[in-house]
Amino acid sequence: EPEVTQTPSHQVTQMGQEVILRCVPISNHLYFYWYRQILGQKVEFLVSFYNNEISEKSEIFDDQFSVERPDGSNFTLKIRSTKLEDSAMYFCASRKQGAYGYTFGSGTRLTVV
Amino acid sequence: SQQGEEDPQALSIQEGENATMNCSYKTSINNLQWYRQNSGRGLVHLILIRSNEREKHSGRLRVTLDTSKKSSSLLITASRAADTASYFCATDTLLKAAGNKLTFGGGTRVLVKP
Repeated sequence: EPEVTQTPSHQVTQMGQEVILRCVPISNHLYFYWYRQILGQKVEFLVSFYNNEISEKSEIFDDQFSVERPDGSNFTLKIRSTKLEDSAMYFCASRKQGAYGYTFGSGTRLTVV
Repeated sequence: SQQGEEDPQALSIQEGENATMNCSYKTSINNLQWYRQNSGRGLVHLILIRSNEREKHSGRLRVTLDTSKKSSSLLITASRAADTASYFCATDTLLKAAGNKLTFGGGTRVLVKP
């Protein structure tokens, strides 16, 4: 069964550094998403991406964050100048046009120290 | 209050028993989905129920949806130790621009004791 692949599975970074989280969505999916889950808390919507642009972003998704689809396969989340409170599990998801089901990746656990 | 609130927050049952968890939401939805998450792992899609459906089954899972009460329930029958996980409901709503987005509840932690 097709999968959404996320790398790395775990990233440790110094506060203030930039990180790029990578995702390879399912190849025929057109909608892409990033969610995050702070330890012990809800899974929160960050951003949705369609047709090479952001469809919607949450209040969390401020200027510190950006997304990109640099080629036909990768979908990245960049976090500039990381803060301690950015420590969370970040999930990428994709969805096929006309379908309701989302496929989530296994997540990247980001630890900011 | 948040979209997609679940209760109970935690549930402990014996293997073989049924587990029922509920989800309430506030806005109009396209559909409601249930996900499972093993500790520290990814989200696995379990079942989806559309806004015009009232009940759906998939294996040992049964989900109901009452749009008048804006609530849903997930029943896991004949639970197994391997069902131990957190279960999240997520409401799927249309975005203004394009596509949809999921809004997750706080989850129910289910412990199935052997």
